[in-house]
Amino acid sequence: GQNIDQPTEMTATEGAIVQINCTYQTSGFNGLFWYQQHAGEAPTFLSYNVLDGLEEKGRFSSFLSRSKGYSYLLLKELQMKDSASYLCAASNQAGTALIFGKGTTLSVSS
Amino acid sequence: DAGVIQSPRHEVTEMGQEVTLRCKLISGHNSLFWYRQTMMRGLELLIYFNNNVPIDDSGMPEDRFSAKMPNASFSTLKIQPSEPRDSAVYFCASSIGGEKLFFGSGTQLSVL
Repeated sequence: GQNIDQPTEMTATEGAIVQINCTYQTSGFNGLFWYQQHAGEAPTFLSYNVLDGLEEKGRFSSFLSRSKGYSYLLLKELQMKDSASYLCAASNQAGTALIFGKGTTLSVSS
Repeated sequence: DAGVIQSPRHEVTEMGQEVTLRCKLISGHNSLFWYRQTMMRGLELLIYFNNNVPIDDSGMPEDRFSAKMPNASFSTLKIQPSEPRDSAVYFCASSIGGEKLFFGSGTQLSVL
């Protein structure tokens, strides 16, 4: 079976740093994706990890530990526009569909 | 490129009616995915195609749901007959080889 867990909600203030965790259990594993989804909009791609370690892209970074079935998304210098749902997704094999977690709703306040 | 195009954006129908959702892939993409999103269940995979061939339809809820890909750039998802529990946002996404997905804007379906 496949299971992806992430917290339902998180809150933070502008300028802060927040870490959104994700654990996954899949029958196989190819890669881990993070997507951002603003209310009423479609998910958009943020990051992709296939090897262990940290991938940095501007204010956003994503980490993967394949042995622990664990990933996190790190958001720095939070802005109000970062208020959104963040979806963790795993592919169990190259070329197959992504399985998504239920998403973490992040609320950034001033 | 216009991205993945879905129609209609909103659909309100009555229980028992047939609903057809449409999706146009990004040119050059060869994988097509249909997802359904609800508050309770999140984003669920319904079916996906590679090179016009259905690969996995295990997520299709029941026989009332069917999906086709008549050519390399277009797909339909049909619900017949529709039921109130089918109310959700339906997303189509495309990719090259099933990796990074590009989503359409979704169809908000309400079955009364």
